[in-house]
Amino acid sequence: DTAVSQTPKYLVTQMGNDKSIKCEQNLGHDTMYWYKQDSKKFLKIMFSYNNKELIINETVPNRFSPKSPDKAHLNLHINSLELGDSAVYFCASSQDRTPNEKLFFGSGTQLSVL
Amino acid sequence: GNSVTQMEGPVTLSEEAFLTINCTYTATGYPSLFWYVQYPGEGLQLLLKATKADDKGSNKGFEATYRKETTSFHLEKGSVQVSDSAVYFCALSGRNSGNTPLVFGKGTRLSVIA
Repeated sequence: DTAVSQTPKYLVTQMGNDKSIKCEQNLGHDTMYWYKQDSKKFLKIMFSYNNKELIINETVPNRFSPKSPDKAHLNLHINSLELGDSAVYFCASSQDRTPNEKLFFGSGTQLSVL
Repeated sequence: GNSVTQMEGPVTLSEEAFLTINCTYTATGYPSLFWYVQYPGEGLQLLLKATKADDKGSNKGFEATYRKETTSFHLEKGSVQVSDSAVYFCALSGRNSGNTPLVFGKGTRLSVIA
């Protein structure tokens, strides 16, 4: 079983569309994250949820809205997609938000906005 | 704020060569330090970590020593293999910032040729 799974793996869409990326973890972790990796491989935190509660929201446009129906799921909704949103989006989880905790990553969703 | 600086890639080595990827950090307090590895088409995986000064993290032949005096955590391997080809990320987590997730460096791509 995949520990952190995200779907879809590839997403190609037109500018202005609304899309969602789903993430599920079966590790029983309390904390989940979304990271964005740009074309130069730079990885930046977007959001963090702990037990369904938003604890980190970096300076991300409000077109991006995370939703956590339960602590095993953290979905990412993106409205009015723009060319600059093209990137690989990674979901991750950790047991809790303790700084030393190991992160477990999904395999990524490559979003291409045309 | 906390930040991580890694050497620019890509790094191309022949099999069995010695590897060093430099990483320096800026942080308040005493962070924990990590190396993550991203193989092609996959999410990041924890490679090794060190939580206090002079600690040495090691895994799969890779090593890194937490040097407080030089604020560094350089990754080394004595003899690389083709299978080590990947992107390597240095990261830190502030010990006293429970709500702050890992801060990643920009990644260093390593290509090992036979």
